[in-house]
Amino acid sequence: GENVEQHPSTLSVQEGDSAVIKCTYSDSASNYFPWYKQELGKRPQLIIDIRSNVGEKKDQRIAVTLNKTAKHFSLHITETQPEDSAVYFCAAISSGGYNKLIFGAGTRLAVHP
Amino acid sequence: DAGITQSPRHKVTETGTPVTLRCHQTENHRYMYWYRQDPGHGLRLIHYSYGVKDTDKGEVSDGYSVSRSKTEDFLLTLESATSSQTSVYFCAISALAGGPYEQFFGPGTRLTVL
Repeated sequence: GENVEQHPSTLSVQEGDSAVIKCTYSDSASNYFPWYKQELGKRPQLIIDIRSNVGEKKDQRIAVTLNKTAKHFSLHITETQPEDSAVYFCAAISSGGYNKLIFGAGTRLAVHP
Repeated sequence: DAGITQSPRHKVTETGTPVTLRCHQTENHRYMYWYRQDPGHGLRLIHYSYGVKDTDKGEVSDGYSVSRSKTEDFLLTLESATSSQTSVYFCAISALAGGPYEQFFGPGTRLTVL
């Protein structure tokens, strides 16, 4: 079945360093890849997404890259700040329709001052 | 936040009792979803709806049923709750087939089955 693998499961960085989270997906027909940030006790919130017709997208300190041939995509956070501490989820849209998303298991990012 | 509410926000119940969770949206979005979130598993799809009275199973549907009698409401029912259904449940909505694909989440319901 459709699957998304996410690594690492936990990531600890110093404030100001960069953080990279990687995901691989199994469905070669998938064409939409969102990233969600979930703070403790809150709902997941969309922070950036990428469609298969582009290889990279940036929004201030965050960027996402996509390699369709290898079926992997990554989230890059530069100049990390303590408020970036959260759980991050990647997802891939199912080719089965209905805008269904397949989620990775999540990465807990801790940014230490 | 998109206009999505969930009720109740917290519930403690006993094994074997029926439980219904409600998701309400004011965005008039076509698609609605129920997920459960457990440590180490991310968000797993329970059921989804693609219109009034149109629903289908997700990857972890056993023990759950859903109903959607109005565009704005999507109900999740645990017919006979078990301890394995202790989880945080999120509802989500999405607008259109073929894009935009974004899903927006409700605030979640924390369910504890004793």
